Amino acid sequence: QLQESGPGLVRPSETLSLTCSVFGGSISGSTYYWGWVRRLPGKGLEWIASIPYSGSTYYNPSLRSRVTIFLDTSKNQFSLQLSSMTAADSALYYCLITGRTDSYYGMEVWGQGTTVTVSS
Amino acid sequence: DIVLTQSPLFLSVTPGEPASISCRSSQSLLHSNGNKCLDWYLQRPGQSPQVLIYLGSNRASGVPDRFSGSGSGSYFTLKISRVEAEDVGTYYCMQALQTPRTFGQGTKVEIK
Repeated sequence: QLQESGPGLVRPSETLSLTCSVFGGSISGSTYYWGWVRRLPGKGLEWIASIPYSGSTYYNPSLRSRVTIFLDTSKNQFSLQLSSMTAADSALYYCLITGRTDSYYGMEVWGQGTTVTVSS
Repeated sequence: DIVLTQSPLFLSVTPGEPASISCRSSQSLLHSNGNKCLDWYLQRPGQSPQVLIYLGSNRASGVPDRFSGSGSGSYFTLKISRVEAEDVGTYYCMQALQTPRTFGQGTKVEIK
């Protein structure tokens, strides 16, 4: 299971920090890709970033200049930082398993999502 | 980026009747290893998306066999053989061939 946490409200130009806690399994040594997807109002789903245990990072080019994804294996968590937030970044953010390094079964496990609103 | 175009965008279906959603890609989703890199997801109201079909035609664990995926190259179809009330929600196709992963616009399914 995956559980997102973070602020529900962010001011324009600030940096969003979201954390995903992993339950029932360990990030360390896993063969999963851990990642983030957001659902933008009226615009559907957008993949943001993914990271496997090796630490290689994969970013959506449309967000690359503003996004960072990283693992914290000591806490069994992974996190997303998105800088220079604007109203266009207001969305429902999901953490999820986006794939595996040794096979593929789709984006298998999703968190319940956390709503982020950008407003002053 | 690969662009996915779904149709229809809205579907109203009578319980027990079949339903079909198509997904057209801006380029072939055939991987060099032979995999068809197209998934289908369902987002029920108030819930997170869940994978229904991966790699074109493989049903995910626990998905009822009334759901099936088919297609090749750049044209794919999701079929529901007999729609049930629990099938309401928005269906998305997603390409898994390249980064960035991209999704179709979504097809909203309602029950008559």
